[in-house]
Amino acid sequence: QKEVEQNSGPLSVPEGAIASLNCTYSDRGSQSFFWYRQYSGKSPELIMFIYSNGDKEDGRFTAQLNKASQYVSLLIRDSQPSDSATYLCAVNSPGNMLTFGGGTRLMVKP
Amino acid sequence: EAQVTQNPRYLITVTGKKLTVTCSQNMNHEYMSWYRQDPGLGLRQIYYSMNVEVTDKGDVPEGYKVSRKEKRNFPLILESPSPNQTSLYFCASSLGGAAGNTIYFGEGSWLTVV
Repeated sequence: QKEVEQNSGPLSVPEGAIASLNCTYSDRGSQSFFWYRQYSGKSPELIMFIYSNGDKEDGRFTAQLNKASQYVSLLIRDSQPSDSATYLCAVNSPGNMLTFGGGTRLMVKP
Repeated sequence: EAQVTQNPRYLITVTGKKLTVTCSQNMNHEYMSWYRQDPGLGLRQIYYSMNVEVTDKGDVPEGYKVSRKEKRNFPLILESPSPNQTSLYFCASSLGGAAGNTIYFGEGSWLTVV
């Protein structure tokens, strides 16, 4: 059973701070890693994806991947109240299965 | 407008009464899938399809059926719904598989089985 683990939170950060969201996965054969944001009652929307070890930056978001440690993270700089949502980590393995973690609820307080 | 459309959005049904949740995409995507979302469990894949007439089980296929007779449609069938299938369901599609392709989600279908 492939597993993707996230701390459910809530993670509370003040406005303007850096939010750090973490995810671990069990399948060493995993190839692609995704971060989705989901507002309450809405469908998930893709924020970033990463394939290679290291960092990938897109605006205020940075995804970090460490395949040796089976660890992927998402950093949100200058957090805004509008970033308050649940963040889902998803991992793709051979066979095109996409496995999601349980999500981390982020609260950004003004 | 590119979209994935699910119907119904909200449904309350009784145990054992067969129901179908439809899903349609207008992007000519090959890959389609169904997920259910339960509190604390994230999104769990039920079934997915790489193309017409090709379907595969995901993590939680028990109690569900799917078919892919046309590229644009991927209905989810609950032959005999039970209360443990009460959940929020999402249909999704992408151009060519989950790896490296943006997955488009439908708006979700809230299903309650009493």
